[in-house]
Amino acid sequence: GQQLNQSPQSMFIQEGEDVSMNCTSSSIFNTWLWYKQDPGEGPVLLIALYKAGELTSNGRLTAQFGITRKDSFLNISASIPSDVGIYFCAGLSNTGNQFYFGTGTSLTVIP
Amino acid sequence: KAGVTQTPRYLIKTRGQQVTLSCSPISGHRSVSWYQQTPGQGLQFLFEYFSETQRNKGNFPGRFSGRQFSNSRSEMNVSTLELGDSALYLCASSLGIQGAIQYFGAGTRLSVL
Repeated sequence: GQQLNQSPQSMFIQEGEDVSMNCTSSSIFNTWLWYKQDPGEGPVLLIALYKAGELTSNGRLTAQFGITRKDSFLNISASIPSDVGIYFCAGLSNTGNQFYFGTGTSLTVIP
Repeated sequence: KAGVTQTPRYLIKTRGQQVTLSCSPISGHRSVSWYQQTPGQGLQFLFEYFSETQRNKGNFPGRFSGRQFSNSRSEMNVSTLELGDSALYLCASSLGIQGAIQYFGAGTRLSVL
């Protein structure tokens, strides 16, 4: 099935640094979601985006729905140790019948 | 409101056996989707059930099947287990309308020996 290209695959950063990751697709999506998964747990929704160009924040997290509708970005400011985990993007196809997931970005924060 | 509940959390089976996993969605949610998560492949969509009917299906062999009950609870069955079936199986529930956000359970970790 269709898969989204998520980058980078992994990141190792110092506590306090800002983080950026993105997700791209060859297809247009109507909705973009960003999830975080802690070890041994299921993904937890962080941010939902519904409109091209939309910029939404959730605390230190900011995500944007790309203008072309083929990409999305997630930024984390002033990272802290509890930000450690795997971040997934998900896009809803323009037929509206299925979500497709990125391959994940593994984030490690060094205290 | 209780979240998505998956049972059991962990399972160990041997090749050739079959397994049934259970998922109770968030109250009021009528759609349940199942995903297989492995380190190399990420989240792979298995199927989606809505109002007791399979509405969508991923690219998995017929050994993987599911069903949904009238109370929206869902079960997933894998028959004739293979080593490659070892994975985290995630269930997600949603309202079921187009574009509705999916909320995930903690998953069932299946190990096939």
